[in-house]
Order: sequence, then structure tokens, then C-alpha cells
Amino acid sequence: QVQLQESGPGLVRPSETLSLTCTVSGDSITTYYWSWIRQPPGKRLEWIAYAYYSGSSNYNPSLKSRVTISIDTPKNQLSLRLSSVTAADTAVYYCARHLYDSSGYYYDAFDMWGQGTTVTVSS
Amino acid sequence: EIVLTQSPGTLSLSPGERATLSCRASQSVRNNYLAWYQQKPGQAPRLLIYGASSRATGIPDRVSGSGSGTDFTLTISRLEPEDFAVYYCHQYGRSVSTFGQGTKLDIK
Repeated sequence: QVQLQESGPGLVRPSETLSLTCTVSGDSITTYYWSWIRQPPGKRLEWIAYAYYSGSSNYNPSLKSRVTISIDTPKNQLSLRLSSVTAADTAVYYCARHLYDSSGYYYDAFDMWGQGTTVTVSS
Repeated sequence: EIVLTQSPGTLSLSPGERATLSCRASQSVRNNYLAWYQQKPGQAPRLLIYGASSRATGIPDRVSGSGSGTDFTLTISRLEPEDFAVYYCHQYGRSVSTFGQGTKLDIK
């Protein structure tokens, strides 16, 4: 059974860099595309970025200048770095797997999610 | 960026009733790449529907999706106690996918 587990600091100071890791178990991270998504308190979900083990990636333009997404294949981990954080970056951060259906196509819908990790930006 | 607007904000129904949730897009959703998720407190979202009308693995047939272009609907017939949750629509037809603000389905 595939499981995704996010980890990272619960508290980050303003202007610092947030680093999160998502560990994938039960399957190889090379099989799928993977995304980071966040949900600020009381707000809608926001897609941040996706990555594929080959190096392919895509970013939400609203965050692109501050975000780096990467995959560590030997560790089966997905990572996120978000620089120059502010209170607006306070959110629950999720990693998620992209849908791959029987026709052999990947889609940007998400069929599996981690439990999420809460990040608060505060001094 | 496509903006998704869900209605109603809250829907109060009783078990056994039928729920109809709406999602309207500010622009046409390419290839009807529209998904629906269910989220319960403290849990991650769960994929219910993708491609506007295809059920995800393990989703019962009392859950259905319909619509095209800019107007989409999630229908849950014969509500069960476990169906009371928040539902989000999600368009993934553009390089930047976006989510609706959610509809809370609660017990009347």
C-alpha cells in the first residue's frame, strides 16, 4: 500500500527558507508525477509545483520565484524549498501523487495525498 | 488563471437524501479536466471524480459527476453518514491547476 508522509519544521521565522520532505513508501517515486499543494487557514487549496524523477517540473507562477521542487530517487523522497517566507505562507502543506490511468496517461489530478504538515510562519 | 466558484457554501441534508453540489468555472475547462475531492476534518482530500464524470478507484456508484465547459455537478444519491464532509472541485486543464473554495455538506 502506497503511503506519503510529509515532514518538516512546524515553525519558520519570517524571511527564512522553509524546507519540507515527503517520503513515499510502497512504490517507487519514479513511477509517477508528484506535487506539493498547500491550504492556508480558511482558504482554498493552492497547487505549488510538480516534479518527475527525470527532472521535469512545473511551478505556479505566483510562487515560482521562491520555490524549488526536487526528487531524491535513492531516498524515494520529494522535497520543497520555499524562500523568503511571510505569514501568508502559513498553511498545511500536502504532497500528492498525480493520477495515472489505465490508458497510460498522467493527469494533473491527485489520487493519493499525504496527511499534511502544518507550517506556521512567525517570529 | 481559472477561478472556480462552488455553490452552495453549505448544504444541510439528512441521511438518505440526495445532494447536488455545483462548480462553475470562469473559463471553459479544457477536455473537461475537472475533479472532485472529499475532505474530512484533520484528513487529506480524497479523489472522488476525475475527468468530470469518471469515478476514482473504490468510489461507490451513488457518487457521480457531470457537466462540461464551465458548469459541473457532483451528485451523491442516498447520503450515508460518512458523506458529510467538505467537497472541493479542481480544474487541471491548464498548466496551473486551481481549486474551488469548497462546499460543506452537513447533517440537518
